Amino acid sequence: DAKTTQPPSMDCAEGRAANLPCNHSTISGNEYVYWYRQIHSQGPQYIIHGLKNNETNEMASLIITEDRKSSTLILPHATLRDTAVYYCIVRDDPYGNKLVFGAGTILRVKS
Amino acid sequence: DGGITQSPKYLFRKEGQNVTLSCEQNLNHDAMYWYRQDPGQGLRLIYYSQIVNDFQKGDIAEGYSVSREKKESFPLTVTSAQKNPTAFYLCASFSGQNYGYTFGSGTRLTVV
Repeated sequence: DAKTTQPPSMDCAEGRAANLPCNHSTISGNEYVYWYRQIHSQGPQYIIHGLKNNETNEMASLIITEDRKSSTLILPHATLRDTAVYYCIVRDDPYGNKLVFGAGTILRVKS
Repeated sequence: DGGITQSPKYLFRKEGQNVTLSCEQNLNHDAMYWYRQDPGQGLRLIYYSQIVNDFQKGDIAEGYSVSREKKESFPLTVTSAQKNPTAFYLCASFSGQNYGYTFGSGTRLTVV
Protein backbone atom coordinates (compact mmCIF):
# COMPACT_ATOMS: atom_id res chain seq x y z
CA ASP A 1 0.00 0.00 0.00
CA ALA A 2 1.06 3.54 -0.62
CA LYS A 3 2.45 5.32 2.43
CA THR A 4 1.44 8.82 1.37
CA THR A 5 -1.81 10.78 1.61
CA GLN A 6 -2.74 13.47 -0.88
CA PRO A 7 -5.96 15.40 -1.55
CA PRO A 8 -7.79 13.91 -4.54
CA SER A 9 -8.03 17.20 -6.45
CA MET A 10 -7.10 20.88 -6.40
CA ASP A 11 -7.77 23.91 -8.56
CA CYS A 12 -5.36 26.73 -9.24
CA ALA A 13 -5.64 29.96 -11.23
CA GLU A 14 -3.23 30.36 -14.12
CA GLY A 15 -0.18 32.40 -13.12
CA ARG A 16 -0.64 31.75 -9.40
CA ALA A 17 1.40 29.40 -7.25
CA ALA A 18 0.10 25.86 -6.89
CA ASN A 19 0.82 24.29 -3.50
CA LEU A 20 0.29 20.55 -3.41
CA PRO A 21 0.43 18.91 0.05
CA CYS A 22 1.45 15.38 0.94
CA ASN A 23 1.44 13.54 4.25
CA HIS A 24 3.97 10.75 4.85
CA SER A 25 3.84 10.27 8.59
CA THR A 26 5.50 6.82 8.56
CA ILE A 27 8.54 7.85 6.53
CA SER A 28 11.81 6.44 7.82
CA GLY A 29 15.05 8.32 8.17
CA ASN A 30 16.67 7.10 4.98
CA GLU A 31 13.63 7.38 2.70
CA TYR A 32 13.43 10.07 0.07
CA VAL A 33 10.28 11.89 -1.02
CA TYR A 34 9.77 11.95 -4.79
CA TRP A 35 7.27 13.94 -6.80
CA TYR A 36 6.10 12.95 -10.26
CA ARG A 37 3.35 14.16 -12.51
CA GLN A 38 1.38 12.44 -15.22
CA ILE A 39 -0.32 14.22 -18.04
CA HIS A 40 -3.21 12.26 -19.50
CA SER A 41 -2.17 9.08 -21.36
CA GLN A 42 1.54 9.73 -20.95
CA GLY A 43 4.19 8.22 -18.71
CA PRO A 44 4.88 9.93 -15.37
CA GLN A 45 7.50 12.65 -15.40
CA TYR A 46 10.00 13.18 -12.60
CA ILE A 47 9.72 16.61 -10.96
CA ILE A 48 11.87 16.73 -7.85
CA HIS A 49 12.96 14.75 -4.82
CA GLY A 50 14.36 15.46 -1.35
CA LEU A 51 15.44 13.93 1.93
CA LYS A 52 15.21 16.62 4.61
CA ASN A 53 16.26 19.93 3.12
CA ASN A 54 14.13 22.10 0.90
CA GLU A 55 14.91 21.65 -2.78
CA THR A 56 14.39 23.77 -5.87
CA ASN A 57 14.89 23.11 -9.55
CA GLU A 58 13.68 24.62 -12.80
CA MET A 59 10.28 22.97 -12.46
CA ALA A 60 9.31 23.32 -8.82
CA SER A 61 10.24 23.69 -5.17
CA LEU A 62 9.89 21.03 -2.49
CA ILE A 63 9.33 22.03 1.12
CA ILE A 64 9.76 19.23 3.69
CA THR A 65 8.73 19.82 7.28
CA GLU A 66 11.35 19.48 9.98
CA ASP A 67 9.81 16.25 11.30
CA ARG A 68 9.64 14.96 7.69
CA LYS A 69 6.05 13.84 8.14
CA SER A 70 4.74 16.03 5.36
CA SER A 71 5.88 17.98 2.33
CA THR A 72 4.57 20.52 -0.16
CA LEU A 73 5.30 20.75 -3.86
CA ILE A 74 5.19 24.30 -5.13
CA LEU A 75 4.73 25.24 -8.78
CA PRO A 76 5.53 28.96 -8.58
CA HIS A 77 3.61 30.18 -11.64
CA ALA A 78 1.16 27.53 -12.77
CA THR A 79 0.25 27.33 -16.46
CA LEU A 80 -2.50 25.41 -18.23
CA ARG A 81 0.11 22.83 -19.22
CA ASP A 82 0.65 22.03 -15.55
CA THR A 83 -2.78 20.39 -15.42
CA ALA A 84 -1.95 16.80 -14.50
CA VAL A 85 -2.06 14.16 -11.78
CA TYR A 86 0.70 14.76 -9.22
CA TYR A 87 2.09 11.85 -7.26
CA CYS A 88 3.95 12.10 -3.97
CA ILE A 89 5.96 8.94 -3.38
CA VAL A 90 8.35 7.62 -0.78
CA ARG A 91 10.84 4.97 -1.72
CA ASP A 92 9.30 1.72 -0.53
CA ASP A 93 12.18 -0.71 -0.51
CA PRO A 94 15.32 0.57 1.23
CA TYR A 95 17.48 -2.14 -0.35
CA GLY A 96 16.03 -1.88 -3.80
CA ASN A 97 14.20 0.82 -5.55
CA LYS A 98 10.52 0.07 -6.05
CA LEU A 99 8.22 3.04 -6.24
CA VAL A 100 4.73 2.72 -4.79
CA PHE A 101 2.18 5.06 -6.35
CA GLY A 102 -0.99 6.23 -4.67
CA ALA A 103 -3.94 7.86 -6.43
CA GLY A 104 -2.24 11.26 -6.53
CA THR A 105 -3.75 14.76 -6.73
CA ILE A 106 -5.49 15.97 -9.87
CA LEU A 107 -4.38 19.58 -10.34
CA ARG A 108 -6.58 21.66 -12.61
CA VAL A 109 -5.09 24.97 -13.69
CA LYS A 110 -7.80 27.33 -14.89
CA SER A 111 -7.56 30.53 -16.92
CA ASP B 1 18.83 11.20 -26.68
CA GLY B 2 18.65 8.60 -23.92
CA GLY B 3 15.31 7.26 -22.88
CA ILE B 4 12.85 4.42 -22.77
CA THR B 5 10.99 3.20 -25.82
CA GLN B 6 7.79 1.26 -25.46
CA SER B 7 6.10 -0.36 -28.40
CA PRO B 8 3.51 -0.54 -29.71
CA LYS B 9 1.62 2.50 -28.44
CA TYR B 10 -1.74 0.77 -28.96
CA LEU B 11 -2.31 -2.98 -28.98
CA PHE B 12 -5.42 -5.03 -29.48
CA ARG B 13 -5.65 -8.62 -28.38
CA LYS B 14 -8.26 -11.28 -28.77
CA GLU B 15 -9.34 -13.16 -25.68
CA GLY B 16 -7.21 -16.24 -25.07
CA GLN B 17 -4.12 -14.87 -26.82
CA ASN B 18 -0.77 -14.07 -25.30
CA VAL B 19 0.77 -10.74 -26.24
CA THR B 20 4.22 -9.25 -25.58
CA LEU B 21 4.88 -5.59 -24.86
CA SER B 22 8.31 -4.24 -25.67
CA CYS B 23 10.43 -2.00 -23.44
CA GLU B 24 13.92 -0.89 -24.46
CA GLN B 25 16.22 1.61 -22.70
CA ASN B 26 19.54 3.15 -23.70
CA LEU B 27 20.20 4.81 -20.34
CA ASN B 28 22.46 2.03 -19.06
CA HIS B 29 20.15 1.65 -16.08
CA ASP B 30 20.33 -1.56 -14.08
CA ALA B 31 16.78 -1.64 -12.75
CA MET B 32 13.63 -1.84 -14.85
CA TYR B 33 9.94 -2.01 -13.93
CA TRP B 34 6.52 -2.72 -15.35
CA TYR B 35 3.45 -0.94 -14.01
CA ARG B 36 -0.20 -1.25 -14.87
CA GLN B 37 -2.62 1.68 -14.72
CA ASP B 38 -6.40 1.44 -14.85
CA PRO B 39 -8.62 4.46 -15.58
CA GLY B 40 -8.61 7.01 -12.77
CA GLN B 41 -6.20 5.00 -10.65
CA GLY B 42 -2.55 5.08 -9.72
CA LEU B 43 0.15 2.75 -10.97
CA ARG B 44 0.48 -0.81 -9.69
CA LEU B 45 3.74 -2.74 -9.91
CA ILE B 46 3.67 -5.93 -11.98
CA TYR B 47 7.31 -7.06 -12.14
CA TYR B 48 10.71 -5.52 -11.64
CA SER B 49 14.28 -6.45 -12.39
CA GLN B 50 17.34 -5.06 -10.64
CA ILE B 51 19.90 -6.89 -12.74
CA VAL B 52 20.17 -8.97 -15.90
CA ASN B 53 18.78 -12.50 -15.61
CA ASP B 54 16.96 -11.69 -12.40
CA PHE B 55 13.47 -10.37 -11.72
CA GLN B 56 10.90 -10.28 -8.92
CA LYS B 57 7.14 -10.25 -8.76
CA GLY B 58 5.41 -7.04 -7.87
CA ASP B 59 1.98 -6.61 -6.37
CA ILE B 60 -0.08 -7.89 -9.32
CA ALA B 61 2.15 -10.43 -11.15
CA GLU B 62 -0.52 -13.10 -11.76
CA GLY B 63 -1.15 -13.59 -15.47
CA TYR B 64 2.05 -11.83 -16.52
CA SER B 65 5.58 -12.98 -17.29
CA VAL B 66 8.85 -11.17 -18.00
CA SER B 67 12.42 -11.84 -19.05
CA ARG B 68 15.64 -9.87 -18.64
CA GLU B 69 18.22 -11.39 -20.98
CA LYS B 70 19.80 -8.05 -21.82
CA LYS B 71 20.32 -4.92 -19.75
CA GLU B 72 18.57 -2.83 -22.35
CA SER B 73 15.41 -4.91 -22.70
CA PHE B 74 12.60 -5.96 -20.34
CA PRO B 75 9.64 -7.36 -22.32
CA LEU B 76 6.32 -8.08 -20.62
CA THR B 77 4.06 -10.92 -21.77
CA VAL B 78 0.39 -10.68 -20.93
CA THR B 79 -0.85 -14.24 -20.90
CA SER B 80 -4.32 -15.65 -21.38
CA ALA B 81 -4.37 -16.27 -17.63
CA GLN B 82 -4.71 -12.52 -17.02
CA LYS B 83 -8.47 -12.16 -16.71
CA ASN B 84 -8.72 -8.42 -17.15
CA PRO B 85 -5.76 -7.27 -19.24
CA THR B 86 -7.25 -4.11 -20.73
CA ALA B 87 -5.15 -1.31 -19.23
CA PHE B 88 -2.36 1.20 -19.78
CA TYR B 89 1.07 -0.39 -19.28
CA LEU B 90 4.12 1.65 -18.31
CA CYS B 91 7.76 0.64 -18.29
CA ALA B 92 10.34 2.48 -16.19
CA SER B 93 14.04 2.33 -15.36
CA PHE B 94 16.19 3.55 -12.50
CA SER B 95 19.91 4.26 -12.38
CA GLY B 96 20.51 3.23 -8.78
CA GLN B 97 21.41 6.77 -7.80
CA ASN B 98 19.08 9.16 -6.03
CA TYR B 99 17.80 10.56 -9.28
CA GLY B 100 14.40 10.30 -10.83
CA TYR B 101 13.03 7.25 -12.45
CA THR B 102 12.51 7.43 -16.20
CA PHE B 103 9.23 6.25 -17.69
CA GLY B 104 8.30 5.25 -21.20
CA SER B 105 5.28 6.68 -22.97
CA GLY B 106 3.19 3.57 -22.35
CA THR B 107 1.27 0.91 -24.25
CA ARG B 108 -2.49 0.87 -24.19
CA LEU B 109 -3.71 -2.73 -24.42
CA THR B 110 -7.32 -3.51 -25.29
CA VAL B 111 -8.88 -6.95 -25.35
CA VAL B 112 -11.45 -7.31 -28.11
